[in-house]
Amino acid sequence: GAVVSQHPSWVICKSGTSVKIECRSLDFQATTMFWYRQFPKQSLMLMATSNEGSKATYEQGVEKDKFLINHASLTLSTLTVTSAHPEDSSFYICSAPSGRQPNEQFFGPGTRLTVL
Amino acid sequence: GENVEQHPSTLSVQEGDSAVIKCTYSDSASNYFPWYKQELGKRPQLIIDIRSNVGEKKDQRIAVTLNKTAKHFSLHITETQPEDSAVYFCAASLQGAQKLVFGQGTRLTINP
Repeated sequence: GAVVSQHPSWVICKSGTSVKIECRSLDFQATTMFWYRQFPKQSLMLMATSNEGSKATYEQGVEKDKFLINHASLTLSTLTVTSAHPEDSSFYICSAPSGRQPNEQFFGPGTRLTVL
Repeated sequence: GENVEQHPSTLSVQEGDSAVIKCTYSDSASNYFPWYKQELGKRPQLIIDIRSNVGEKKDQRIAVTLNKTAKHFSLHITETQPEDSAVYFCAASLQGAQKLVFGQGTRLTINP
């Protein structure tokens, strides 16, 4: 089956630094990918839709200058958390449409970000 | 935009009993309704989904029902087992939009 990977699986950084998270579709192409954020004991909240070759679409309330998204190829989307602060600590998960069935998504394993 | 409400937030049942989780959605244009199981620190795992042209779908011990008129859908787990313990999320997707809107989640605990 189709697989989505993320790297790193966890990262700890100092406040004020930037962190890049990669999301890859391993055996299929994805012109669209989605980035979610999940705080402890909460649901997944869509942050943005990553579009290959064009600008990402951000959900209301998500700062595009803080969460930079680049979808440079059909298999890779990156999320950069700039000037990270402790409140950005969260579980970041990407997903990509499977292409098999309409609306079906494959999720990456997630990246645990801790900002000290 | 779409809004998905899920309840209960926690559910505890005895092993072997049934568990039911309910969700309501706001946008009548939504046409795809997946259910995910998430274990601590792991990715959401699709367990069953249903589309708006179907009223019920079953896969072994798991079933989902959809009432388009009332805009609600439910997950039914029968003969529950300890390994069913996890957090379950419902979601809804607008036709053509692909992106998912998730419910708040239900923490299901199966007591031996």
